[in-house]
Amino acid sequence: GQQLNQSPQSMFIQEGEDVSMNCTSSSIFNTWLWYKQDPGEGPVLLIALYKAGELTSNGRLTAQFGITRKDSFLNISASIPSDVGIYFCAGQEGNILTGNQFYFGTGTSLTVIP
Amino acid sequence: ETGVTQTPRHLVMGMTNKKSLKCEQHLGHNAMYWYKQSAKKPLELMFVYSLEERVENNSVPSRFSPECPNSSHLFLHLHTLQPEDSALYLCASSQDFRDRGPGDYGYTFGSGTRLTVV
Repeated sequence: GQQLNQSPQSMFIQEGEDVSMNCTSSSIFNTWLWYKQDPGEGPVLLIALYKAGELTSNGRLTAQFGITRKDSFLNISASIPSDVGIYFCAGQEGNILTGNQFYFGTGTSLTVIP
Repeated sequence: ETGVTQTPRHLVMGMTNKKSLKCEQHLGHNAMYWYKQSAKKPLELMFVYSLEERVENNSVPSRFSPECPNSSHLFLHLHTLQPEDSALYLCASSQDFRDRGPGDYGYTFGSGTRLTVV
């Protein structure tokens, strides 16, 4: 099935630094989502994007829906230790064939060094 | 209870056992999903129930059997599993994309069941 390319796979940063990660797909998506997963828990939705070019913020997090509709990025500003976790992108074509299915990236593992 | 609740949180089973995973959502959603999460792999969609229709991923072995008695409950029945089936099994719910309105954002996931097959 559809696979998203998410990069980087892992990041080790100092507390206070900014973080950037991105996702690309071979298909056009109508929806992009960004999730964070803590150890032993399910993914939690951070930001949802519905329009090409849309830029949306949630606190220190900012995500954009690429103009080509084949990519998205997530930025975290002024990282703090609780930002540690795995971040996933997910995209949905939203057509009658693929319906509700979201395709997920392989995740970016973020480690914040105090 | 709010959100999506999965039980049990942890399960260890032998290859000859039969067990079931349970998921319950309190969000009024009309679509529910099972995902498998293995280390170093993307989340794998296993099954979808939406508007009382079941959509299967054909690559899921028959030793996994879903059941959705109503829009709030979803089960995954397990039998004669293999060690490679050990993984985190996540349940999620959403509004069906045909019904989605403002604020219906993607999936809400449960905390998962950590399954170990010995």
